[in-house]
Amino acid sequence: EVQLVESGGALIQPGGSLRLSCAVSGFTVSDYYMSWVRQAPGKGLEWVSVIYAGGAAYYADSVKGRFTISRDISKNTLYLQMNSLRAEDTAVYYCAIDRRDDLVIWGQGTMVTVSS
Amino acid sequence: DIQMTQSPSSVSASVGDRVTITCRASQGISSWLVWYQQKPGKAPELLIYAASSLQSGVPSRFSGSGSGTDFTLTISSLQPEDFATYYCQQANSFPRTFGQGTKVEIK
Repeated sequence: EVQLVESGGALIQPGGSLRLSCAVSGFTVSDYYMSWVRQAPGKGLEWVSVIYAGGAAYYADSVKGRFTISRDISKNTLYLQMNSLRAEDTAVYYCAIDRRDDLVIWGQGTMVTVSS
Repeated sequence: DIQMTQSPSSVSASVGDRVTITCRASQGISSWLVWYQQKPGKAPELLIYAASSLQSGVPSRFSGSGSGTDFTLTISSLQPEDFATYYCQQANSFPRTFGQGTKVEIK
């Protein structure tokens, strides 16, 4: 069974850094595109980043230069390194298997709160 | 960036009703349109991909149509488990963008 489990969410001060993890089971993390999507409290969905099977990555303008997507094949885990965090980054962060044009399986999400 | 606009923002309907949600793209996206359903406190779930293809396991009362800039999600006979928020998303180009969501509420 394919499963995605996010972790790493926390309360963090503005300007701080955090690394989110997405542990994958049922498939190899490098075999598929993988994406991060976030949802601010009471708001809609915002795509954040994707990493291709070949390793190329793309980012939303709102996080470009601050966030980095990566994966560790030995741990079968997807990551999102988030630096220079801002209040507007407060959201539930979801990882998802990306079929290039849709997000077919999602994790349960992890909450990031940026506040002093 | 391609802007996605859904309408209505919310709709009140009864069990058994036919519900239609529209999604308009700010520029042509061919059939690169996806629909998701999200229930409170849960992750979104894929309903429709490539504008009209039903994801495996999704009930046939859900259907999608459209191409270019105008798309529709239809629920032919609303069931209690369908009360949720629905989002469209374009997959034509980066950054991928979502509509603002349509909340389907119980009348």
